[in-house]
Amino acid sequence: KAGVTQTPRYLIKTRGQQVTLSCSPISGHRSVSWYQQTPGQGLQFLFEYFSETQRNKGNFPGRFSGRQFSNSRSEMNVSTLELGDSALYLCASSARDRASPLHFGNGTRLTVT
Amino acid sequence: AQTVTQSQPEMSVQEAETVTLSCTYDTSESDYYLFWYKQPPSRQMILVIRQEAYKQQNATENRFSVNFQKAAKSFSLKISDSQLGDAAMYFCAYRSDFHNAGNMLTFGGGTRLMVKP
Repeated sequence: KAGVTQTPRYLIKTRGQQVTLSCSPISGHRSVSWYQQTPGQGLQFLFEYFSETQRNKGNFPGRFSGRQFSNSRSEMNVSTLELGDSALYLCASSARDRASPLHFGNGTRLTVT
Repeated sequence: AQTVTQSQPEMSVQEAETVTLSCTYDTSESDYYLFWYKQPPSRQMILVIRQEAYKQQNATENRFSVNFQKAAKSFSLKISDSQLGDAAMYFCAYRSDFHNAGNMLTFGGGTRLMVKP
C-alpha cells in the first residue's frame, strides 16, 4: 500500500503570495490532518478533514484554510504569506477506527522570503 | 487543553546500550491514546509505539517498550539494544478519545537522540 504523498517537497514563495499544498492519503483513509512544524513552536495542529468536512481546527489565523475532495485527497492553502509561515507542513491520514494511528507524509518545506 | 512535555531536549546513548526518553502530559480526561513518533532526517514521522490509556499493560514493539504510569501522567519510551538507525528526533504525542477530538494530536517538544558507535 502506498504511503501518504505530499507535493511538492520544497517550495519557495515571497511574502504576500499564496500557496497550495497537496496531500494524498493512504488508500481507504478518510481522515486527513495537517500540522505545521517550526523550530520555535514545534508541531502544531492546523486542521483535520473527514469525508470532505472539516472536523477540527487549530489555533491558526484565517489565512490558513483547507479542503478535502471526494477521493479523500486534501489541499491546504495559505494566503498572504508571512515570513513566519516558513515551516515544514506535514500531512497525516488515518483510518476510520479511532484507535488507528496517524500515518504521516514526508512533508512540504515552505520557505517564505 | 492537554499539554505534553518532554524534558530532555537531547539524549545520547552508546550503540547496543539502553536509553529511556521521558514524557509527561497533563489532561483531565480518562480515555486517551499516547504515541511515540520518530522523525529521522528524512522528515517523515514514523510511529514507534502506541498505548491506550485504558490498558494497564505496557506496550512493547520489538526493542521499544513504554512505561505508562497513568496516575503520574507519565509515558516514557525505552529503547533497548540501541542501533545507529535509532538516531532521530522522538516526539511524544497525546490524542483524546473524546468523540469530537477526531485525530488531533498534541505533541511534546521532542528529544533528539544521538547514538554513538
